[in-house]
This record gives sequence, structure tokens and C-alpha cells, in this order.
Amino acid sequence: QQQVKQSPQSLIVQKGGISIINCAYENTAFDYFPWYQQFPGKGPALLIAIRPDVSEKKEGRFTISFNKSAKQFSLHIMDSQPGDSATYFCAALERDGATNKLIFGTGTLLAVQP
Amino acid sequence: GAVVSQHPSRVICKSGTSVKIECRSLDFQATTMFWYRQFPKQSLMLMATSNEGSKATYEQGVEKDKFLINHASLTLSTLTVTSAHPEDSSFYICSARDVEGYVGADRETQYFGPGTRLLVL
Repeated sequence: QQQVKQSPQSLIVQKGGISIINCAYENTAFDYFPWYQQFPGKGPALLIAIRPDVSEKKEGRFTISFNKSAKQFSLHIMDSQPGDSATYFCAALERDGATNKLIFGTGTLLAVQP
Repeated sequence: GAVVSQHPSRVICKSGTSVKIECRSLDFQATTMFWYRQFPKQSLMLMATSNEGSKATYEQGVEKDKFLINHASLTLSTLTVTSAHPEDSSFYICSARDVEGYVGADRETQYFGPGTRLLVL
């Protein structure tokens, strides 16, 4: 059972365009939703994160839109650049007693064409 | 701030040997660290949660005796793959939580290391 569903699996965007990646979750107890960027052979790097009491958060060219009632959240990359080409993972925080662990989506491979 | 290092970055070993991977939080204290495994073109799979001074909590299906985790200090956790076999070949990544807020970001944030590529021949 996949608790965080991510789509699309891959995405091709032209330079300067908007990249949109979507995630959906089932567990309403999740209360922290980060997005990570991973380049080949590297560890994931935190891009931006949001809590469910906020509907939108923007940091530079990256924006998270959060729809609590629909249990969906998405990452928008404005003015996409070739350097943004990477794999993006959404995640949700699951609280399990004393241990809080991240549940990751399946990832989206983004290719930004020059 | 919030730098997590891993050593080694890459290791090749013979089947049957043990391999130790170190994960360090360089500029903050991490009472909780996490170990993940990632296969090519797949997502991160949590293997275990490492708590400083106590036993690690393993995810279902992860063999405790094969993947030994030690979190002896607030800045260091180690993962030892015992009697490694070719099927253990993977990309192992650790992360650390800034629980005390040293870095100033959200205390739920996990900062990831650069990963260790293990190849068992």
C-alpha cells in the first residue's frame, strides 16, 4: 500500500516553462510535507516544505500548493532551467510514537530541455 | 549549515565480508538519524531509525542481524552490512534530524548525506 502517490513518473519541460509535480496522500495525520531534489549519485536535498495549515509556500522559483481537503499537494517550478533536471521526491511525515519518519513518493524524473 | 557527511562514498567488497558506513552530522547534534536504501531509478526505502544511546528501530523486512546500526554519539551513526552478498549492492543514504533546532529550520527537517555506493562482488 503506497501512502504517498506521486505523478507523473517523468516530465519533460522546455526551458522557461513551468514544471508541475503532484502528490496525494491518504493519512490525514500527516502534518509535514517536504520536497526533495536528487541528482544522480547524490543524496536528496531539501527544496521546500509545508505544513497543512498553509495553502501555499513560495521560495524563489519553487512553490508548494497544498489542498488539505483533497489531501493533495504539488510542486511548481517556475522558469524551469536545464540545471533543474533531476529526480524530485515528495514526502509526508508519519508520527509513530517517539519516531517520526518520512514516507516518500515514487519520484518524478524531470528533464528541462534547453 | 545542516551538513551531513558519509564515509566512504563508494566501496567495493567481496561476498562474505562486512562493510561499515559512517554518517556524521557536521554542524548540529542529531539525536535521531535514519538509514535508507535506494535501488536505481527507485524511491528511498527506510531501513531503520537510529536513536542516540538506544537500539535502532528497524522497518519490517529489514534484517537486524545483517544491518547493524550503532548511534554512539550525537553526531555519528554507523551502518554495518555483515556478510555482504551481491544482492546487498545498493545506494545507502543516511539522514539526520535537527531535533534541537541548531540550524534554525523546521525541526522535522531531515538532512541527507551524499550516499554510499556499495558493490558486492
